[in-house]
Amino acid sequence: AQSVAQPEDQVNVAEGNPLTVKCTYSVSGNPYLFWYVQYPNRGLQFLLKYITGDNLVKGSYGFEAEFNKSQTSFHLKKPTALVSASALYFCAVSRGSTLGRLYFGRGTQLTVWP
Amino acid sequence: DTEVTQTPKHLVMGMTNKKSLKCEQHMGHRAMYWYKQKAKKPPELMFVYSYEKLSINESVPSRFSPECPNSSLLNLHLHALQPEDSALYLCASSQEVSSDSEQYFGPGTRLTVT
Repeated sequence: AQSVAQPEDQVNVAEGNPLTVKCTYSVSGNPYLFWYVQYPNRGLQFLLKYITGDNLVKGSYGFEAEFNKSQTSFHLKKPTALVSASALYFCAVSRGSTLGRLYFGRGTQLTVWP
Repeated sequence: DTEVTQTPKHLVMGMTNKKSLKCEQHMGHRAMYWYKQKAKKPPELMFVYSYEKLSINESVPSRFSPECPNSSLLNLHLHALQPEDSALYLCASSQEVSSDSEQYFGPGTRLTVT
């Protein structure tokens, strides 16, 4: 079975500080990992994905994520947080046999304080 | 252009009404999806279309009826809904139904069943 855990419901960080939103996964075989962001009353926006290759993935809006196979983690990071990044963040996993099904974590609400 | 459009933005309907939600994309994607999302929760997959054919139905009640008239359009026909069906309905598309393809989401239709 495939699953994703986002251990923090809420992450608060001051503007200008680095931010991390955590994600761990459980999947048999090689995972495909995704991060999406959702602003209020909007759909989800794709940020970045890991399929294979370099463990550090760079995405939209200055976000990056590091795939760590030994820790089964895919934490989302940004060196300098902006107030505009305040939103709901979802980690998701799929694998070769799931054919389009994304297994989402429960989401982490990021609040960046000015 | 990575845009998925959805109409209407908001819909209020009674339990005896029949209504339809519409979704459109012009990215040449061959996979399209319907999701249901409750507030502050991850999206739940409902249906997947691949090359205009229904490939996944996640045991959705028959009061929801999907339709894919062509590769750019996806409809969701609603009939005899229940108040618990009130939610944000999201449409998404991807290049193919494959586990490594990111999905692009529309802004959603906010449905209220009275």
